[in-house]
Amino acid sequence: GQNIDQPTEMTATEGAIVQINCTYQTSGFNGLFWYQQHAGEAPTFLSYNVLDGLEEKGRFSSFLSRSKGYSYLLLKELQMKDSASYLCAVWDSNYQLIWGAGTKLIIKP
Amino acid sequence: GAVVSQHPSWVICKSGTSVKIECRSLDFQATTMFWYRQFPKQSLMLMATSNEGSKATYEQGVEKDKFLINHASLTLSTLTVTSAHPEDSSFYICSAKAQGADTGELFFGEGSRLTVL
Repeated sequence: GQNIDQPTEMTATEGAIVQINCTYQTSGFNGLFWYQQHAGEAPTFLSYNVLDGLEEKGRFSSFLSRSKGYSYLLLKELQMKDSASYLCAVWDSNYQLIWGAGTKLIIKP
Repeated sequence: GAVVSQHPSWVICKSGTSVKIECRSLDFQATTMFWYRQFPKQSLMLMATSNEGSKATYEQGVEKDKFLINHASLTLSTLTVTSAHPEDSSFYICSAKAQGADTGELFFGEGSRLTVL
C-alpha cells in the first residue's frame, strides 16, 4: 500500500528553527509537496520537490532524497503565525496526490 | 496567484435535505478539480476527481449517488450532498489544477463547513 509518515505534533519556540520530517512509500514518484494549513482554513502551497536536494524559499526550505523516500521541511526564525498543520503529499506514478496526516506545529513564545 | 472560490463557506441543514457546494476557478481554466473531505484533526481525504465534461472518478468507499459531482465548465465544479445526515457533517474542500500546468500545484478553495442537524 501507499503510505506517508510524518510526526503528529511538534512544539518549537518563537525565533528558533524546526525540521518536520516526512517519509513515504508510494507506487512511483512524480514529486513531493508541502502545504500549510491553519485551523479551519484550506491548505496553502509551500513547496514542490521533484529532484534531490534542498530548495530554499525565504524562511522555509524543503529537502528531498528520493533514494531514501525522505523529505523534510525546515522553518527558520519561527513566528507565532507559523503555528499550523504542515501536510506532506506525494504525487505517485498515476499523478494521484497521496496525503500525509499532517504535523501540527505549536509555537511557544 | 490563481484563485479558487468556494461557496458557501458555512452551511447548516436539516437531516434529509440536499446541499450544493460550488467551486470556481476565478482567473484560470481548470480541467481537473478535486473534492476533499476533512474531519476534525484529520488529514484531507480525497473523495473524487472531477474532469470537465466527463463523469467524476470516486475514491473507494465514497458513494457516487450520495455525493453528486458535476464539472460542466472549465471554471466550475459542484458537489451536491444528497439526503444529508449528521455523519456527513465535515469540512469540504475543493482544489483545482490549472490547465497546462506542469508543477502539479493545486489551488484550494476556502472550504465549506457543513453541519447537518
